Order: sequence, then structure tokens, then C-alpha cells
Amino acid sequence: KQEVTQIPAALSVPEGENLVLNCSFTDSAIYNLQWFRQDPGKGLTSLLLIQSSQREQTSGRLNASLDKSSGRSTLYIAASQPGDSATYLCAAGHNFNKFYFGSGTKLNVKP
Amino acid sequence: SQTIHQWPATLVQPVGSPLSLECTVEGTSNPNLYWYRQAAGRGLQLLFYSVGIGQISSEVPQNLSASRPQDRQFILSSKKLLLSDSGFYLCAWSGLAGGPSREQFFGPGTRLTVL
Repeated sequence: KQEVTQIPAALSVPEGENLVLNCSFTDSAIYNLQWFRQDPGKGLTSLLLIQSSQREQTSGRLNASLDKSSGRSTLYIAASQPGDSATYLCAAGHNFNKFYFGSGTKLNVKP
Repeated sequence: SQTIHQWPATLVQPVGSPLSLECTVEGTSNPNLYWYRQAAGRGLQLLFYSVGIGQISSEVPQNLSASRPQDRQFILSSKKLLLSDSGFYLCAWSGLAGGPSREQFFGPGTRLTVL
């Protein structure tokens, strides 16, 4: 069964810093990997989806990479802002688009 | 554009009472549909998924059941709630049932508290 781990569990940084969130998964036979953002008490907002054949995806200040063979993905956030404060979740996708989630990294960006 | 709705937004129920949570999707046809539960401070656990009307697969044994009476409607139910059923329930959809993996989109969720 797929196990997804996210490190660190929480992160606090001053505004403007570049930061990296880590995600690892045990079963490398994934179809894709998706990164989400969750604000307190809210649903999930999709940030980036990387297909298994891709190495990275970019959207604005966000860049996600995927190393399928080593079971790792990273989410890079450039020039962090207080509005980036949220919990970031990664999910490994398998057949039938079933996704298995990590427990998330709670990010706090201080003004 | 596609929209996903969930209701109710919050629910407080006594132990032993029944449960029915509803999820509907607009703007797409034949979606894959999913129910997840998020316990406090935890990641999401996949409970059920459906690739078509009447087709339900369960990921974990539990006190809950799911049904898909219409193409874009997904219902989560229980006959008798347990304290351990408390949590944040999220419905999601993705395109092309059975096809290549696609992005998942989530509803706003239902906060369930069982007392």
C-alpha cells in the first residue's frame, strides 16, 4: 500500500524567503503526483499536477519536481508571502485516479 | 466550468444516529468521484471511489457506505454513527473515468461532529 510522508510537518519563515517542501512515497508505480493547498477549515485547492513521465511543473512562484525512481517530490516556493500561509499536501496518484495523501506541511510566513 | 457542491457544511449528530452527506458535480459528465475523510491534524484518507453510476469501491473497512444514484451525485451514508466517524469529509472529482490520470478537484467539505 502506498505510504506518503511529508517533511517538515511545520515550517515558519520570514516573508521573502525561498523554501522547499518535501514529499516522499514508498510505491514508485504512480501515475502522477499532485500538490494541494488547504486553508483552515476549507477544502483543497490544486496547485500543480506532475505526470509520471514529467520531471517538473511550474506555476508562477511555485515549482514542483518529481523523481519517481527515488520516490520523491519537492515543492519550491519562491519569494514567500504571508498569503502563502496554509497547509500544503502532496498526493500520489494511482489507477482510477486514486490519490494517497501525506499529512501535510503547515507553513507560516511571517510579515 | 466545473463546480462541486457538498452539503451540509457542518453537522452535529448523536452517536447511533444515521448520516447522509451529499456531493454533486456540475459542468462535466461521467466523472470519477471520491470520498475522503480528514481527521484533525491529519492527511486525507480515501474512503470510497466510483467510476460510474452504481459502481462503488471501498478502500477501508468501516461504518460508512457510499452510493452513486446519478452520474454526478455521490452520497456518503451511515446507519449508526460512531464517535470515531467525526472528521472533515471531502468529496472530489476527476475527469475521464477509467482513462489516464487527471487532476482531482475538491469540494468545500462537511465538518461532522459525533457526540
